[in-house]
Formats: sequence, C-alpha cells, structure tokens
Amino acid sequence: AQKITQTQPGMFVQEKEAVTLDCTYDTSDQSYGLFWYKQPSSGEMIFLIYQGSYDEQNATEGRYSLNFQKARKSANLVISASQLGDSAMYFCAMREGLGTSYDKVIFGPGTSLSVIP
Amino acid sequence: GAGVSQSPRYKVAKRGQDVALRCDPISGHVSLFWYQQALGQGPEFLTYFQNEAQLDKSGLPSDRFFAERPEGSVSTLKIQRTQQEDSAVYLCASSTQGAGKPQHFGDGTRLSIL
Repeated sequence: AQKITQTQPGMFVQEKEAVTLDCTYDTSDQSYGLFWYKQPSSGEMIFLIYQGSYDEQNATEGRYSLNFQKARKSANLVISASQLGDSAMYFCAMREGLGTSYDKVIFGPGTSLSVIP
Repeated sequence: GAGVSQSPRYKVAKRGQDVALRCDPISGHVSLFWYQQALGQGPEFLTYFQNEAQLDKSGLPSDRFFAERPEGSVSTLKIQRTQQEDSAVYLCASSTQGAGKPQHFGDGTRLSIL
C-alpha cells in the first residue's frame, strides 16, 4: 500500500503568489517525522522543512511552512511568494520508528511545480 | 567539500554485466540509505544501514542486487547480470540519528543498461 500520497502530479503558480502542495501519509507509528525535499532539474535533493509527529506547532522555514493536520494524516507544504527558482519537483517523505534503532525513510511520488512569470 | 560523494557519476553497461556503485557518506553519519529513482518518479527505497549493519533490505528488487558497508563508512551497491529495467539514477543518502535529522543526498549515479 502506498504510504505517501501526493495527488498533484503537476502544479502551476504565478510568481509572487502562494502555493500549497498536498501530502497525505499512512502509518501506525505514534512517533514519526515528515520531510519535504526539493529536486531541481539538475537532480540534487535539497532538504526544505521537517515536522515531527509530536510537534504542536506547524513548522516554518523562511518562505516554507508545513500545514500539519495529524488527525487527517496530512502534511501539506505551503510556499509563499513564489519565485522562478522554485520550479522543481517536490517530494514529501516520512521517517517511521523515531527513537528506535530502525530509521527507514520513504518518499512520495512527487509534485512538479512550475512558477510562471 | 564534506557532502555525500557518489561515484561514478555516470555508468553505461551492457546487459548482463556486473556493476558496482560507490557511496562515501558524510563522516560520522550513522545511517546510510540507497534509493533507486526512475525518470519522473520519487526515490524508491532499496536498503538501509546503521553503521555496518544492514537493517532493512526489503526494497532490493531481486537477488541480483547486493549492498554492503563493511566498516560502517563507505558503501557499495552491486548489481549482477544487469538488465535494461535496472536503468535509473541510484541515490545514496546519509544522516545522523535522531528526530528531525534530514538526509543528505549525493548527486547520484545515472546507470544506463544497453
């Protein structure tokens, strides 16, 4: 079964506008972490933001924020004031088994974001 | 640079040949991961090491795939008797342990099987 779902294969946003990239996940663990990564066309994977399952506040990192709704098992990425350089693939990832010796991370299928000037 | 280093950057092999892909993680990183990424897809988990112990190899697609990390540092992913469906980018990532610690990725090895 798919553990990470990203339902938007492709998204467009106007420069300077905000955009939300969806991510839902499935886990029976109580302690887990959620990550978002950016992968430009050059191929490198760039870490953007992290949310722990026990964090009470939504994570923020500059123009990136994570809309974490634990009961719905969703962890949507919000990018404010989009820039042309934000055009890339965006991956949601989950790390289960936090605090144990087991540390597996799995990725979703990704969303391709295109910023329009 | 102190990032994750992968070699070779590109590898072309004929079907049936064996290949070996190397990953040199960030010094001191306990966890090491291998992923396979097909064009336009997300990274697919292959295997995970904690130091020299391979704790999970559930993602390896067949017994032609083998990974090792004998001294808990450098890791090698070996593919025997390569097939065309093995063509992909192979990503290596390392991290420290603990909540919120992100993975640091190498640039990947692009493998093409002819």
